[in-house]
Amino acid sequence: SAVISQKPSRDICQRGTSLTIQCQVDSQVTMMFWYRQQPGQSLTLIATANQGSEATYESGFVIDKFPISRPNLTFSTLTVSNMSPEDSSIYLCSVSTGGVGETQYFGPGTRLLVL
Amino acid sequence: GQNIDQPTEMTATEGAIVQINCTYQTSGFNGLFWYQQHAGEAPTFLSYNVLDGLEEKGRFSSFLSRSDSYGYLLLQELQMKDSASYFCAVHTGGFKTIFGAGTRLFVKA
Repeated sequence: SAVISQKPSRDICQRGTSLTIQCQVDSQVTMMFWYRQQPGQSLTLIATANQGSEATYESGFVIDKFPISRPNLTFSTLTVSNMSPEDSSIYLCSVSTGGVGETQYFGPGTRLLVL
Repeated sequence: GQNIDQPTEMTATEGAIVQINCTYQTSGFNGLFWYQQHAGEAPTFLSYNVLDGLEEKGRFSSFLSRSDSYGYLLLQELQMKDSASYFCAVHTGGFKTIFGAGTRLFVKA
């Protein structure tokens, strides 16, 4: 498994502003992902963060709204741009080391409230 | 399309057994995951089934029938700390995993 930390753990932001969330892993990992989860709801994949190249976005998510960086094998950032109240959610970083089933391990999440 | 069905909520009594069912229709299938998530915490990995049959891990067991596109998570000797959400997830391949909506399990004394 991997130990994953996220910063910030929570934030309250004004609409129209942007927030960058950091994800740090204690070891090099093959894959890093960003998910969104509304309280009490399922996990929705935003994008796969690719090291050294542009992220791969899922349907409904675009780079202009959710720019992602992954400069190395242990770190990634997700920016939520031009925020609106609909962006209020929990954002989770996830990693896979390519083991059995490519099991994913999740960070503690960032709780975002947009006013 | 991709669809994973599991019950929204279940309630059971401490010490009892509960079975959380999951059916799926996905464009690809490599295996079935189960994740547990306590309120306010990150999801944690419970099990992964690739082959048909039952896999036992202590109080938790997971079952898969690929021909029926069906699986379940069996929790025995329920404890209060088992109150959580349980997500069925399909590994469709290429590091792609699709999560179900989750089942909220309430364990009462």
